[in-house]
Amino acid sequence: DIQMTQSPSSLSASVGDRVTITCRASQGINNYLAWFQQKPGKAPKSLIFAASSLESGVPSRFSGSGSGTDFTLTINSLQPEDFATYYCQHYNTYPINFGPGTKVDIK
Amino acid sequence: QVQLVQSGAEVKKPGASVKVSCKASGYSFISYYIHWVRQAPGQGLEWMGWINPNSGGTNYAQKFQGRVAMTTDTSISTTYMELSSLRSDDTAVYYCARSRGVGFLDYWGQGALVTVSS
Repeated sequence: DIQMTQSPSSLSASVGDRVTITCRASQGINNYLAWFQQKPGKAPKSLIFAASSLESGVPSRFSGSGSGTDFTLTINSLQPEDFATYYCQHYNTYPINFGPGTKVDIK
Repeated sequence: QVQLVQSGAEVKKPGASVKVSCKASGYSFISYYIHWVRQAPGQGLEWMGWINPNSGGTNYAQKFQGRVAMTTDTSISTTYMELSSLRSDDTAVYYCARSRGVGFLDYWGQGALVTVSS
């Protein structure tokens, strides 16, 4: 199975900050990498697929990059509605696995 | 618009079974796989498996094999996930999600809380 790790596990940031979250796969995943945002009590919301493609309707301040085993989610100019937990997920093979999450809260 | 609407919260005793439904609308039901993902309280996301609504074919995570069954009723665009021999650590919110392509989960249901308690 392919395992996913994320760093940091949590971070504190201010509105307007640039935030970077890293995700690493235990082996190459051919860029089959997605990012999700989840707010308390809500279902995850898809943000990025194929490592760097922005899902329809997602603000352009979100971007994804990386290849092979190392990937990054960047949020430019953090907005109040962006405070949430972010998960990466590979879908290269089954079983699908998610990273443990990164909680972004207000500094 | 694409919607996945799940059944409501359930409370079950250890050893019982639970069946959660997921009704799809706004797209061609048989054209997209449905995955199930669960989230224990305060924990991360755990993939359980998928079903192909067109063929009924399934692929379950090894952890759940023998205990989970995913089925569909194409006449009402609904997918079901049944988990048996429930334990307290099965207490979680269970989500259904549509996959686009191999396994990108683009639309999610609202979740169904299953509580296992004696």
